Amino acid sequence: SAVISQKPSRDICQRGTSLTIQCQVDSQVTMMFWYRQQPGQSLTLIATANQGSEATYESGFVIDKFPISRPNLTFSTLTVSNMSPEDSSIYLCSVEESSVGGYEQYFGPGTRLTVT
Amino acid sequence: AQSVTQPDIHITVSEGASLELRCNYSYGATPYLFWYVQSPGQGLQLLLKYFSGDTLVQGIKGFEAEFKRSQSSFNLRKPSVHWSDAAEYFCAVAGVGGFKTIFGAGTRLFVKA
Repeated sequence: SAVISQKPSRDICQRGTSLTIQCQVDSQVTMMFWYRQQPGQSLTLIATANQGSEATYESGFVIDKFPISRPNLTFSTLTVSNMSPEDSSIYLCSVEESSVGGYEQYFGPGTRLTVT
Repeated sequence: AQSVTQPDIHITVSEGASLELRCNYSYGATPYLFWYVQSPGQGLQLLLKYFSGDTLVQGIKGFEAEFKRSQSSFNLRKPSVHWSDAAEYFCAVAGVGGFKTIFGAGTRLFVKA
């Protein structure tokens, strides 16, 4: 299974600033996903990032607020722009791998963001 | 619309007791079904999955789950809970054809001595 690391693991930021989160995978993967987990909540998909193409954003998420880069098959970044306290969440990177009969998703440890 | 329901927000069981966490889904066909566990401050770890075939699937850490099509359920079970099982458990549903994974709200498991 893929091993995923994220940087930073946590950060405290001031409102109006931006933070870029890095996601590194130990193998080449086609699809990478970015999720948000607000305090005490479940996971919400922000966008899907395929190498060589624009990220696909879910309803309620826009590129200006959450720009994503996917420069190669093992790396992606998510930027949280012009932050407000409502952006305080855990941000998780995920990859999909084929499995017999289907596929599996693996997750990074997450980046805990607090906006003051 | 596709959805996942975990009816129990939190459950408390005694160490050594059996556990069952409930999950119901809504999907037009047979979906892919997953259970994940999230320990405090950690990412999600895949416990087990169901794609097709045998409706009783075994996972890691002694967990199993049973797919019941007639009830649209995929309940997670463990015969004897350990204190280290205390965590948040998420049921998820996914499918082919661009249907992205949807996660349930989660069930927080507390284990008492």
